[in-house]
Amino acid sequence: AQSVTQLGSHVSVSEGALVLLRCNYSSSVPPYLFWYVQYPNQGLQLLLKYTSAATLVKGINGFEAEFKKSETSFHLTKPSAHMSDAAEYFCAAQGAGMRFGAGTRLTVKP
Amino acid sequence: DAGVIQSPRHEVTEMGQEVTLRCKPISGHNSLFWYRQTMMRGLELLIYFNNNVPIDDSGMPEDRFSAKMPNASFSTLKIQPSEPRDSAVYFCASSLLGQNSPRDTEAFFGQGTRLTVV
Repeated sequence: AQSVTQLGSHVSVSEGALVLLRCNYSSSVPPYLFWYVQYPNQGLQLLLKYTSAATLVKGINGFEAEFKKSETSFHLTKPSAHMSDAAEYFCAAQGAGMRFGAGTRLTVKP
Repeated sequence: DAGVIQSPRHEVTEMGQEVTLRCKPISGHNSLFWYRQTMMRGLELLIYFNNNVPIDDSGMPEDRFSAKMPNASFSTLKIQPSEPRDSAVYFCASSLLGQNSPRDTEAFFGQGTRLTVV
């Protein structure tokens, strides 16, 4: 079954620093992968998705993710963190329904 | 479109009572998902409907939980009787996922219902 694993339940960075949130998937078939963001007391909002058209995917708010088949990874990055990026981030895979990783809480220090 | 609409936003009920959560998906979407979010278990997929038909309900925790989708614009998740361990945020999501749509179709989420069972 399609599944994703997020390494690190909590990541803390300084404002302006690189953000790296890790996601690995397990599947022998081309995956359909997504990153969502959840702000406090809100639903999930799509950041970006892998469409197989390009391995580097750009999303909203300056985030991007690179699909690496050799590493079965789809890590999320942002060159320079902003205070407003503090939220919980979820990697997800589409199979029979969309299934989510455990989530990574991003804290941004001033 | 107003997006996925869930009601109520907050529900507090006593143990043993019946609870009904409601969801209106985005118009035109053919798939609907119910999720439960807790600190301990994260986001769990409870049930997935396609064209109003339940496709996968393997995530429904117990017989106390039931979900229906009587038409394309409405779904309910019912818990009877409710227990304190059911306290969580319940999300509904909808999408255009289906046989003829690409698998990279994303799901759109409602704001969630925060359920507290005391």
